[in-house]
Amino acid sequence: GENVEQHPSTLSVQEGDSAVIKCTYSDSASNYFPWYKQELGKRPQLIIDIRSNVGEKKDQRIAVTLNKTAKHFSLHITETQPEDSAVYFCAAPPGKSTFGDGTTLTVKP
Amino acid sequence: NAGVTQTPKFQVLKTGQSMTLQCAQDMNHNSMYWYRQDPGMGLRLIYYSASEGTTDKGEVPNGYNVSRLNKREFSLRLESAAPSQTSVYFCASSEWGGDGYTFGSGTRLTVV
Repeated sequence: GENVEQHPSTLSVQEGDSAVIKCTYSDSASNYFPWYKQELGKRPQLIIDIRSNVGEKKDQRIAVTLNKTAKHFSLHITETQPEDSAVYFCAAPPGKSTFGDGTTLTVKP
Repeated sequence: NAGVTQTPKFQVLKTGQSMTLQCAQDMNHNSMYWYRQDPGMGLRLIYYSASEGTTDKGEVPNGYNVSRLNKREFSLRLESAAPSQTSVYFCASSEWGGDGYTFGSGTRLTVV
């Protein structure tokens, strides 16, 4: 999207390894940073989010970190499992084109 | 609590036909959105409604119209379908702004 750049577009890891996906945004007004997971043929679902007054948030094996000065935030998945294989999207509302283009994560057993 | 309900789930149209995609949410959310997702691609915003009574264009509005019928319902209309509109359409809602979208299950539309 024009407001958010997401990298990498594809990521392949071995089961048990960590995965990191990074997003860079341009709108200084952005203060809420969610991550969505979309399994094949299904709807995107919110998995974790962070607000601009917090630098890091964890939920079991997933975490999101935010660097507001540098305008980037990252999704970290530890101890990856095959069921983590999906497309992951970041977002940085407000803005008309708020989603990143997605990262296809493949976890190899 | 159904969340966000979209109908229909599947639709095949002939070029030039019209149709309306329906979306309803039961979470008392203020904002609603329509996205399209082409194969292997990301989510592109078509139209959104920040609150009841308002609608605005998104990234790819051409060929579409919307109606925010009430707080619950937000419909998307294709007046004259074209093959380029073959896609999966997702409706979403959020309490306000872009916070924590809840997506519908999608409508798979094919225009032949």
